[in-house]
Amino acid sequence: DQQVKQNSPSLSVQEGRISILNCDYTNSMFDYFLWYKKYPAEGPTFLISISSIKDKNEDGRFTVFLNKSAKHLSLHIVPSQPGDSAVYFCAASASGNTPLVFGKGTRLSVIA
Amino acid sequence: SAVISQKPSRDICQRGTSLTIQCQVDSQVTMMFWYRQQPGQSLTLIATANQGSEATYESGFVIDKFPISRPNLTFSTLTVSNMSPEDSSIYLCITDGTYGYTFGSGTRLTVV
Repeated sequence: DQQVKQNSPSLSVQEGRISILNCDYTNSMFDYFLWYKKYPAEGPTFLISISSIKDKNEDGRFTVFLNKSAKHLSLHIVPSQPGDSAVYFCAASASGNTPLVFGKGTRLSVIA
Repeated sequence: SAVISQKPSRDICQRGTSLTIQCQVDSQVTMMFWYRQQPGQSLTLIATANQGSEATYESGFVIDKFPISRPNLTFSTLTVSNMSPEDSSIYLCITDGTYGYTFGSGTRLTVV
């Protein structure tokens, strides 16, 4: 049973436009969410996080939105840059020193 | 946030040998999680390491294959034993501390 789902395996966006990556979860105990990105042949890099007490968190070009009632979160990248091309994973956890559960990832390609 | 030094960053190993990966944290953390990311897949939890007790392994992972040590609150090792090409993956430690989750930089293992 996949508790964290990223239903779009890939996404292609033009440079300068908005990239929207989506993630759904099923476990209502999850209260902390994060996004990380991974370039080929490299380890993953933490990008941005959000706790369930918020519905939005912004860091520069990256904004994460959380809709708890829909059990849905999204990552917005504005404006998208070619260097943003990578695989993006969302992850979730419940409070209390529990491990992160990761989605399968969405490959973002930003075209110049 | 905490900083993790994960070593080695990459290695190429002969089948049948073992590799020990270490993670050193610059502050005390309660939980250390070890993950594996096989090519094209998401991160899968191998085990949870708590200081002073045996690691808790997820289904499909056993201590004989992936022995873990956690001698103190700032250090942990994961050994990949009797390696086969199927063990070629990125291995990653993640800690859960006061400032949230911190990622190691990952170890890219290739078994030939």
